[in-house]
Order: sequence, then C-alpha cells, then structure tokens
Amino acid sequence: NAGVTQTPKFRILKIGQSMTLQCTQDMNHNYMYWYRQDPGMGLKLIYYSVGAGITDKGEVPNGYNVSRSTTEDFPLRLELAAPSQTSVYFCASSYTLGGVYEQYFGPGTRLTVT
Amino acid sequence: EDKVVQSPLSLVVHEGDTVTLNCSYEVTNFRSLLWYKQEKKAPTFLFMLTSSGIEKKSGRLSSILDKKELFSILNITATQTGDSAIYLCAVEGSSNTGKLIFGQGTTLQVKP
Repeated sequence: NAGVTQTPKFRILKIGQSMTLQCTQDMNHNYMYWYRQDPGMGLKLIYYSVGAGITDKGEVPNGYNVSRSTTEDFPLRLELAAPSQTSVYFCASSYTLGGVYEQYFGPGTRLTVT
Repeated sequence: EDKVVQSPLSLVVHEGDTVTLNCSYEVTNFRSLLWYKQEKKAPTFLFMLTSSGIEKKSGRLSSILDKKELFSILNITATQTGDSAIYLCAVEGSSNTGKLIFGQGTTLQVKP
C-alpha cells in the first residue's frame, strides 16, 4: 500500500492563479480531510469528507473547494490564490473502529503564493 | 468554541533527560485524544486515548488522559536526538466524522 499520496510536493503560484492539489489513498478509507499548517502552528481543518459524494466545511474553508467523486481521491481546489494561502497542505484519511478514528497523513504540499 | 492548548510551545533538553508535554482541551462531545510526532514532513501517529487514567506506552514514550480535568500528558524518558520533533496533540470532538482539532504543537529539541 502506498497509503496517502499528494501531488505536487511544492508549488509557487502568482496571486490570482488557480490550482488543484491532488490527494489519493489506497486504503479504502471512507473519511478524508484537508488541513493547512502555517509556521509554528498546529493543523487547521479546511474541508472533510465522510464518503464519496459527501463533503463539508472545516474551520478554515474560505478560498477553497473540494469534491469527492470516488473513495480514493479528494482534490482541493484554490480558485484565486492569495498570499494568505501560503502554507503547507496535508491530506489525511481515516477508518473508524468502534467509533474512534485514526488518521493517516500524506507527505504534504508546500505552497507559496507571491 | 472548541480548543486545544499545548504547553510548553518549545523545549530544549539534553540527551538522557525526561520530558513531559502537556495538552489541555475544551471540546464538546469528546471522543478521543491523539498524539502525533511531526519531523520534517507529515505527522505520524503515536497514541490514541479514549479512557481516563489508562496509560498507553510505546518504548520510552507514554501518555495518559484525565477526562475529569480535561488534559493529557506525553512523557518521553531517556531522550535521544532522534526525539527532536514537533509533538502535536489533537482531539476529536464531533460525532461520527473523525474531525480533529489540533493544538499549536510543542517543538522539542534534544541536544547531544
């Protein structure tokens, strides 16, 4: 199993450009999440999904969109990049066992908006 | 508003020292508390705690949860330079979604 994979690893965007961060997991997990991590901070939840076709907002969803057409893929879309979106983005997936969850993280995408 | 607070924010120790990292939380509908270790890249899972007073151990690392006082501690004994990392505490506070609320993290540096 590759686990959770993310592409690209690094990206530099100009203000106003758009891009999609890709996330794929091969563990057949129903639950998937997108976080951002700013320097010296913990992770903030952007969006999450509890299954194909179902998504919902997290703590910091503004400026982002997601879709979940398959169990495996959970792309994150930035429509009009702003400097405030400079961050490291982590995708995660989890299963539930007895009502508790353990999240597995991808390697991250470092995004700079200038 | 749900929140998770970790202390200290950073810590510098020498190899062989014992460290205690703290995590306090205010979360509705508490379900579990998780500790992660983050080195250069993605967080890696250490422990999940759901029951009060039961210690989880893995080698030199151990953790315990106090649901009455709303906190957890992570202990690392006989620290090594390889323990240098950011330690993240997260709490699942909502129902049936697995959403986590993270603290700011504690940056631990272990000097030789």
